Amino acid sequence: DVKVTQSSRYLVKRTGEKVFLECVQDMDHENMFWYRQDPGLGLRLIYFSYDVKMKEKGDIPEGYSVSREKKERFSLILESASTNQTSMYLCASSFVGGGLTSTDTQYFGPGTRLTVL
Amino acid sequence: DQQVKQNSPSLSVQEGRISILNCDYTNSMFDYFLWYKKYPAEGPTFLISISSIKDKNEDGRFTVFLNKSAKHLSLHIVPSQPGDSAVYFCAASARYGGSQGNLIFGKGTKLSVKP
Repeated sequence: DVKVTQSSRYLVKRTGEKVFLECVQDMDHENMFWYRQDPGLGLRLIYFSYDVKMKEKGDIPEGYSVSREKKERFSLILESASTNQTSMYLCASSFVGGGLTSTDTQYFGPGTRLTVL
Repeated sequence: DQQVKQNSPSLSVQEGRISILNCDYTNSMFDYFLWYKKYPAEGPTFLISISSIKDKNEDGRFTVFLNKSAKHLSLHIVPSQPGDSAVYFCAASARYGGSQGNLIFGKGTKLSVKP
């Protein structure tokens, strides 16, 4: 069974704080993703990574950065948290995509509900 | 511009009846489609998928139908159970079109199954 874990289920931070969200997967997946989910907006991709030390911007990267120093770990960083970053943050992983033999199925962690006051 | 659209934000169905969730897409390069189910305060879980070379895929109570000419897919749940109440996300991938593993998600449909 694929397992994706996230460091916290619930987090409360103050405006201006630096916030680290950690994600670890145990299936040796190459790809890792960070999304945020907001009511009525679905899942929006923040950043993704195809390999260690590689990162690509998603649809809404502003105000976020990421780090992937090890294959199994992908961190999302909010440099200076703001109230509009209050959201559910979801990490996912998958095998390398592209090509008709891949399924691109992503496996998600349980999510971190972040509240910024 | 939304490439994957779920036009119904919510759907209410009686227990035992069929639930039909719809999804439309615009990108003709999409060749793989997935459905995810999400309970509140949990991450999405993969439910069922279909390749563009098929028009139907079945897994127990869940069946996904794909109509490529209409760029439309649907998820049928028969019979619906109260435990099926969740938000359902449709997602698409262009594996041969260089998606590199990215999925494009719809905004979700909240299904409520009433006892």
